[in-house]
Amino acid sequence: RKEVEQDPGPFNVPEGATVAFNCTYSNSASQSFFWYRQDCRKEPKLLMSVYSSGNEDGRFTAQLNRASQYISLLIRDSKLSDSATYLCVVWVTSGTYKYIFGTGTRLKVLA
Amino acid sequence: SAVISQKPSRDICQRGTSLTIQCQVDSQVTMMFWYRQQPGQSLTLIATANQGSEATYESGFVIDKFPISRPNLTFSTLTVSNMSPEDSSIYLCSVDARGSGANVLTFGAGSRLTVL
Repeated sequence: RKEVEQDPGPFNVPEGATVAFNCTYSNSASQSFFWYRQDCRKEPKLLMSVYSSGNEDGRFTAQLNRASQYISLLIRDSKLSDSATYLCVVWVTSGTYKYIFGTGTRLKVLA
Repeated sequence: SAVISQKPSRDICQRGTSLTIQCQVDSQVTMMFWYRQQPGQSLTLIATANQGSEATYESGFVIDKFPISRPNLTFSTLTVSNMSPEDSSIYLCSVDARGSGANVLTFGAGSRLTVL
């Protein structure tokens, strides 16, 4: 079983739609959680951190459920420019310190 | 956040040769990581580059194949040794650029390697 799992998609949605991505992690020593965005042939960039209380940044909302080891990302009012791969990332501190990436979820927003 | 310069940005290499990728950061950082991203795949951690000591390798990666140097807190190199076509991939340097009490992973632009 992979340490961080995501539905690879692709998710094809029309402009203006709301779309949600889920991510599960298996390591209970995971300390911090993030969503990264990766555009085609580019390096990943931080979209937002995920806090236990949930957090929002404009059209993006992230949620964390530690009991279920589950993270989500909600995108409202999708734009064409939201088309990218969204990577769930977990910071693990058991033994060594490292960031573990999920497989990524591809999103394509259609005009 | 930290600015990372990674080079080469791309290279085409012959089977059996070695290539060294350099990563320069504009500020001192404690943690530097090397990732590999194979075509159509997500990122896989190769190793953590430790300043002044041997790198910590993940399962499936060994020092003889991927020797890493970290002479100071702003610079690291990754060498891909005795390359085969299976090593064709994007190699990414990253740093944990902590700020405001939160850890943030920042990446270089990557080195796209093609092995013929």
